[in-house]
Amino acid sequence: KNEVEQSPQNLTAQEGEFITINCSYSVGISALHWLQQHPGGGIVSLFMLSSGKKKHGRLIATINIQEKHSSLHITASHPRDSAVYICAVSANQAGTALIFGKGTTLSVSS
Amino acid sequence: DGGITQSPKYLFRKEGQNVTLSCEQNLNHDAMYWYRQDPGQGLRLIYYSQIVNDFQKGDIAEGYSVSREKKESFPLTVTSAQKNPTAFYLCASSPVAYGYTFGSGTRLTVV
Repeated sequence: KNEVEQSPQNLTAQEGEFITINCSYSVGISALHWLQQHPGGGIVSLFMLSSGKKKHGRLIATINIQEKHSSLHITASHPRDSAVYICAVSANQAGTALIFGKGTTLSVSS
Repeated sequence: DGGITQSPKYLFRKEGQNVTLSCEQNLNHDAMYWYRQDPGQGLRLIYYSQIVNDFQKGDIAEGYSVSREKKESFPLTVTSAQKNPTAFYLCASSPVAYGYTFGSGTRLTVV
């Protein structure tokens, strides 16, 4: 069993829809990261969470430490949101490597 | 602006050749990492380094080598011993405190 599980694996939406991507993990963590990877391959860090909720523009990330679960929401989705969204966790020590989920491929059509 | 520079963006290797992927950061981060990504799989750790002149194997280190002679640089060599090197390679760095910065990646293809 992977230490970081994401669902769904693939997601197709119409422009304007509300999107939710889920992440569950089985290890003790210090922080959870949501990352975005575009077709060119480069990765951008969207959020780093250790508790509660963060919002940036149309993106919202939440985490429930007790349930070991996080969600990434996209409100009013747009074709430019089409990308792979990756959940990753960092263990309870600074400077340690991340453990990655396999990613969710999102395709938003107009 | 600070960041991580990976080069080249695309790299082609003949069978039996060693190739070196460059990763440079000007963020003054102590830790640096190399990950490999294959289609349908999550990123997997190859090597990481938390200080200069020290590095540790990750989950899939066989067929790879690294060096950390300077804080800013963490090159990865894909040796001929790596039997399936075609993949996307990503470099990252982090400070002593939490937070990560990622490079733009190198796509390596064996021809």
